[in-house]
Amino acid sequence: DAGVTQSPTHLIKTRGQQVTLRCSPKSGHDTVSWYQQALGQGPQFIFQYYEEEERQRGNFPDRFSGHQFPNYSSELNVNALLLGDSALYLCASSLGGSGTYNEQFFGPGTRLTVL
Amino acid sequence: GENVEQHPSTLSVQEGDSAVIKCTYSDSASNYFPWYKQELGKGPQLIIDIRSNVGEKKDQRIAVTLNKTAKHFSLHITETQPEDSAVYFCAASKGPRGAGGFKTIFGAGTRLFVKA
Repeated sequence: DAGVTQSPTHLIKTRGQQVTLRCSPKSGHDTVSWYQQALGQGPQFIFQYYEEEERQRGNFPDRFSGHQFPNYSSELNVNALLLGDSALYLCASSLGGSGTYNEQFFGPGTRLTVL
Repeated sequence: GENVEQHPSTLSVQEGDSAVIKCTYSDSASNYFPWYKQELGKGPQLIIDIRSNVGEKKDQRIAVTLNKTAKHFSLHITETQPEDSAVYFCAASKGPRGAGGFKTIFGAGTRLFVKA
């Protein structure tokens, strides 16, 4: 089991550009959440996808959008990049459906630098 | 709003001593409390978690306690080792999962240094 994988590892963009980050969940997982982690901070929840729909969203502007594919993989898109978008973007997967436990497994992240 | 406060931000202990990290959450609907360890250049790794219907849980050198009334939860690491040095995050999660989704709020992190 490869666990949660993310690509690319690192990315450098300039202000105003658009970026797409990718995530493949852990085998058997159907729910993907995205987090932004600024340097020295805790991860901040961006949004969560289950059954190809956004189910929960944090306090992030509409410039941040996402998608989940039928194979449960996911993309995070950020438009009109700002310097403040520079951060480590983490993807976490979990098993949705019934139950009350929300155990998540994180990928290694994509380091985005906006110049 | 939803918030998780974590203390201390930095903790330095001698090898073999115990380390305690404390967190407070604001949303009483939170029902799941995971703890993560993050090493340099890696994503957070779940080390232990506790559900809202449990007051204490232990796994070898690591233990967590939860006081739902006070909205406090803590991580205890005994017999610390140099390889325990990392950043530790507490988190509070709520939501039914599945179609309802869930949301996890993280603390700001504690940088633990274990001196040999």
